[in-house]
Amino acid sequence: SQQGEEDPQALSIQEGENATMNCSYKTSINNLQWYRQNSGRGLVHLILIRSNEREKHSGRLRVTLDTSKKSSSLLITASRAADTASYFCATDPSSTSGTYKYIFGTGTRLKVLA
Amino acid sequence: EAQVTQNPRYLITVTGKKLTVTCSQNMNHEYMSWYRQDPGLGLRQIYYSMNVEVTDKGDVPEGYKVSRKEKRNFPLILESPSPNQTSLYFCASKRQGAGNQPQHFGDGTRLSIL
Repeated sequence: SQQGEEDPQALSIQEGENATMNCSYKTSINNLQWYRQNSGRGLVHLILIRSNEREKHSGRLRVTLDTSKKSSSLLITASRAADTASYFCATDPSSTSGTYKYIFGTGTRLKVLA
Repeated sequence: EAQVTQNPRYLITVTGKKLTVTCSQNMNHEYMSWYRQDPGLGLRQIYYSMNVEVTDKGDVPEGYKVSRKEKRNFPLILESPSPNQTSLYFCASKRQGAGNQPQHFGDGTRLSIL
């Protein structure tokens, strides 16, 4: 079963607004990664946050990580129509977990209206 | 150019006819993985490989085989495909043992099993 759960499943906003999507997971992790997927295409890595980090920025992206709640959020500021895509979180398991399986969330479909 | 290459990109075939989807990466990555993506289920890991001759099951390995005879190649084999294996498949690779690294994805293979 998927341990990564994302919400909302779908989000529709106006250009210029901020978009926030959340991810929850179940086991201990080394890091958590966010990916973007344009319709039916391959996933593109956006940002990685380590388990000992609480917040990370990259351009218009801001990611937070709360390991006590096993959750992360991705904020896209000043959204553009080109940000329309699906966004996925993925957990990289910790070396103590005994597994090297990645778990992806079910994704958030973001639509930015021009 | 650093890339993960999958072939074929599209395939329509019939139940029971063995097929192989190839995956090759030119980044000398140790870790390689196969995922399938189905509507509403996100990406689910089929198999992964930590290095040559080292493979392990992901969350949905039934009906699939893999091999890792060379570092750059990680083919996915469907010995007797069935309609429930109709899906979008992605291969990914990443550098292992160098701290926290993201995965690099191929463009995907869309399989239809009739």
